[in-house]
Amino acid sequence: DVKVTQSSRYLVKRTGEKVFLECVQDMDHENMFWYRQDPGLGLRLIYFSYDVKMKEKGDIPEGYSVSREKKERFSLILESASTNQTSMYLCASSRAASFYGYTFGSGTRLTVV
Amino acid sequence: EDKVVQSPLSLVVHEGDTVTLNCSYEVTNFRSLLWYKQEKKAPTFLFMLTSSGIEKKSGRLSSILDKKELFSILNITATQTGDSAIYLCAAPNDYKLSFGAGTTVTVRA
Repeated sequence: DVKVTQSSRYLVKRTGEKVFLECVQDMDHENMFWYRQDPGLGLRLIYFSYDVKMKEKGDIPEGYSVSREKKERFSLILESASTNQTSMYLCASSRAASFYGYTFGSGTRLTVV
Repeated sequence: EDKVVQSPLSLVVHEGDTVTLNCSYEVTNFRSLLWYKQEKKAPTFLFMLTSSGIEKKSGRLSSILDKKELFSILNITATQTGDSAIYLCAAPNDYKLSFGAGTTVTVRA
């Protein structure tokens, strides 16, 4: 019973490419999030969205943008991929104003060469 | 700025040992503290703690919160190789979760 699905498990892209990471949830959650996870730094919030077409910057938005055209789908876009964006990217979703935590996707390990 | 700090960052133990993981936090509008376990894929939820001094238990794992001193601990007793994972501590502020860096636990047979 998969609830948050990330389109790719592993991805290798070249420097300068435009990269799309897709995330779909089937729980009718209002909130969706993109994090990146790096050793020793934990999960850092890139962007989040609390409604369709709404987006808010997280702690490290530089070099990224997002799109939420439908409630169930939240896309992360790397406009021009760079090697320092090599990381594990985790998508998550939650109910509005929820402090019960998130449901996570399985992650996309992106390597930029 | 919200802050969640975990220690140690990593540890290696042998099967049967007991492990204690620490999490301290500074979060405005504190409501709860959450623990997750992450193996190779998505973090999976372990505990949510809202009340001070009340232990939450699930099998060999247990956790407790101290709201006065602003910390939580996660204990794993009689560790097994399947306990090897990254353990994440997080605190929500509104609808955002702030995470610690995680503790990587390696259990050797």
